[in-house]
Amino acid sequence: EDQVTQSPEALRLQEGESSSLNCSYTVSGLRGLFWYRQDPGKGPEFLFTLYSAGEEKEKERLKATLTKKESFLHITAPKPEDSATYLCAVQARSNYQLIWGAGTKLIIKP
Amino acid sequence: EAGVTQSPTHLIKTRGQQATLRCSPISGHTSVYWYQQALGLGLQFLLWYDEGEERNRGNFPPRFSGRQFPNYSSELNVNALELEDSALYLCASTPRTGETQYFGPGTRLLVL
Repeated sequence: EDQVTQSPEALRLQEGESSSLNCSYTVSGLRGLFWYRQDPGKGPEFLFTLYSAGEEKEKERLKATLTKKESFLHITAPKPEDSATYLCAVQARSNYQLIWGAGTKLIIKP
Repeated sequence: EAGVTQSPTHLIKTRGQQATLRCSPISGHTSVYWYQQALGLGLQFLLWYDEGEERNRGNFPPRFSGRQFPNYSSELNVNALELEDSALYLCASTPRTGETQYFGPGTRLLVL
């Protein structure tokens, strides 16, 4: 069964304290892995798409990496405005549905 | 370029009533997806429309239905509202099937 697990559920960091969020997945043939950011009460904002193991993408303080079993979202020297829930989703080759993780709630304290 | 838009932003209904939610995709996008996100929970897939046809639906009862219009905008209808239908309803669009989904701001539905 296709499945996505995100950890930790919540992460509290001090401003400037770098860390990583994890997205573990099992899927029968990966078409793509997606990272989104969601602020409370708003729609998810697209961050990255990764397609194959070894691929990396960066945007400002965020860097996403992909292996055959998991993806990491690394956040370097975070700021309070990086506080949000980060969602991971995978798409199987067999269909076009996204399978979503439950998200990691990131809180950056000034 | 305008993003995905949804209306209304908030909707308050009572049990048993019907709700209609609307979504306009990004210009040039032909696929529209609907999701339900109950408070504190993850995204649950509701419906997928592409080129005016329903392509797939999630594990929701038939009182959740919708359609896609010739201009690719979409409507989600929820009949016989129940308290547990209270949630943020999100619409997403893609330029082509299987590509990155871009989300709208959502409609917050409250059922009293």
